[in-house]
Amino acid sequence: NAGVTQTPKFRVLKTGQSMTLLCAQDMNHEYMYWYRQDPGMGLRLIHYSVGEGTTAKGEVPDGYNVSRLKKQNFLLGLESAAPSQTSVYFCASGYRQPQHFGDGTRLSIL
Amino acid sequence: ELKVEQNPLFLSMQEGKNYTIYCNYSTTSDRLYWYRQDPGKSLESLFVLLSNGAVKQEGRLMASLDTKARLSTLHITAAVHDLSATYFCAVGGGNTDKLIFGTGTRLQVFP
Repeated sequence: NAGVTQTPKFRVLKTGQSMTLLCAQDMNHEYMYWYRQDPGMGLRLIHYSVGEGTTAKGEVPDGYNVSRLKKQNFLLGLESAAPSQTSVYFCASGYRQPQHFGDGTRLSIL
Repeated sequence: ELKVEQNPLFLSMQEGKNYTIYCNYSTTSDRLYWYRQDPGKSLESLFVLLSNGAVKQEGRLMASLDTKARLSTLHITAAVHDLSATYFCAVGGGNTDKLIFGTGTRLQVFP
């Protein structure tokens, strides 16, 4: 019973590099979300999806893109990483119930 | 724009004492969540509160919701060291259930 799985767990990038964070859930949830967590702050919503093939912007979408080609997967992309994107990224799934969170990806941009 | 304010930001408690964490939100919402986060870990769901006057309890933690005041509280009774963590409230609901989080309360319980 994996729940929500995020890969990778850690990553260090140089400014300008690109990467994709993968989120996979095995609970058949329609709704999936990407959040970022910065020190001293709560989680902030980046993008979300209400079903396969759909995406929408959250509070802080700039600099990120997402895709939901399969119901169980939600990808978060950084096309040109910036130091301001250094953060811990959490994926979650669920709707009108407590969202299930992954273990997070710690991303550092140098 | 929905805003969620949580206080205090940091709470240092002696074991055995009681205290309350407050969560205020700015616009109407139909559900409020409390989560716990241990250092370097993911978020663990504690409570979901759906209606005015809702009260839920689990062990030494009790959460309540006053939708008229737009206020939720998380009360800690007779704190123990194992409760040391960061606690977040989050407001959701609507047709997307997007969560808006408070800044979190870092709780430290000492002997």
